[in-house]
Amino acid sequence: EAGVTQSPTHLIKTRGQQATLRCSPISGHTSVYWYQQALGLGLQFLLWYDEGEERNRGNFPPRFSGRQFPNYSSELNVNALELEDSALYLCASSLVAGRDTQYFGPGTRLTVL
Amino acid sequence: QKEVEQNSGPLSVPEGAIASLNCTYSDRGSQSFFWYRQYSGKSPELIMFIYSNGDKEDGRFTAQLNKASQYVSLLIRDSQPSDSATYLCAGGDNNDMRFGAGTRLTVKP
Repeated sequence: EAGVTQSPTHLIKTRGQQATLRCSPISGHTSVYWYQQALGLGLQFLLWYDEGEERNRGNFPPRFSGRQFPNYSSELNVNALELEDSALYLCASSLVAGRDTQYFGPGTRLTVL
Repeated sequence: QKEVEQNSGPLSVPEGAIASLNCTYSDRGSQSFFWYRQYSGKSPELIMFIYSNGDKEDGRFTAQLNKASQYVSLLIRDSQPSDSATYLCAGGDNNDMRFGAGTRLTVKP
């Protein structure tokens, strides 16, 4: 069974640009979660999508947004990039919404220059 | 504010010793708890989950949950250098899952 996949693996952008990160959950999983992990720091919850709807959002500005498609894949968009947005962005999926085990993808390393 | 707290470490133990990792949580409504291991530059991988009070054992790993004290722990017996990683504790309910900042464990040969 294929795990959670993310693309691209690495992304380099400059300040002010927009970044789009993509995630495909494990087959059958309907919940997708996005996390930011800056170097040396813990996981910071960004967004949670389930059945196409945004269920919860972390303490991030509105320039962080996303969506979930009918096939349950998801996209994270970061507008007006700032240097401090440089981080590993992790996507996770779960079978049951909320309290179920989350399985993580390999992450996208975003570097903002 | 729902919080999951862990000592950041680093925690250093000799090879073969027992490593004890601790986690507390603030939300009494949390129903499920997880321990993840994260190697440097990699994504977290699930070690164990626990839903009920008491101990749950899986190989060298034992998770302990005490809902009255809002406390979760992970014991690693016969620690190996390959166990050196950051260990993340997470707790959640139907609406939310919160991760701790992680404890960095180093097992010295």
